[in-house]
Amino acid sequence: AQSVAQPEDQVNVAEGNPLTVKCTYSVSGNPYLFWYVQYPNRGLQFLLKYITGDNLVKGSYGFEAEFNKSQTSFHLKKPSALVSDSALYFCAVRDSLYNTDKLIFGTGTRLQVFP
Amino acid sequence: DAGVTQSPTHLIKTRGQQVTLRCSPKSGHDTVSWYQQALGQGPQFIFQYYEEEERQRGNFPDRFSGHQFPNYSSELNVNALLLGDSALYLCASSADSTYEQYFGPGTRLTVT
Repeated sequence: AQSVAQPEDQVNVAEGNPLTVKCTYSVSGNPYLFWYVQYPNRGLQFLLKYITGDNLVKGSYGFEAEFNKSQTSFHLKKPSALVSDSALYFCAVRDSLYNTDKLIFGTGTRLQVFP
Repeated sequence: DAGVTQSPTHLIKTRGQQVTLRCSPKSGHDTVSWYQQALGQGPQFIFQYYEEEERQRGNFPDRFSGHQFPNYSSELNVNALLLGDSALYLCASSADSTYEQYFGPGTRLTVT
């Protein structure tokens, strides 16, 4: 079965420090991977995607993600965290069994950035 | 560009009732997907509409149905509401082959 795992329910980091939010995936074929962020009582905002090409993908708000095929991982990173980055982060993979845009989401990781 | 819009923002219904949620996709998008996000969970795919047809369906009962109109807007209908249907319902739109889905703010449904 295709799936995404986010092993950490919460990540705490001090403002100005680098942050990493982990994601691993299991899919048939080539993975199409995404990161979304959700602020309280809001919908999901697209951060970045990996379809093909460079393993390091740059996205919105200074975020980037590193695709690692051998480790089946797609970790989200930012060199210097901001308090305003505190939110719920979701990793997702496109369902490769059908030619649609169905996304399979992880359970989410709450990022808390402390001043 | 207004982005993806959803209405209503909040809704309170009683068990057994029926509800209709509405979604207008981002300009230029022709595909609409619906997701259910229960409290503390990631979004779960309900179904997707393209060219006014249901293209794919997730693991949801037939009580959940939908429709897409010629202007690409969409409705999600849920019949015989259960307490467990309480969730944030998210609509997402995309244009074929772009792989990016844009989400609306959601409709918070509470079933009492």
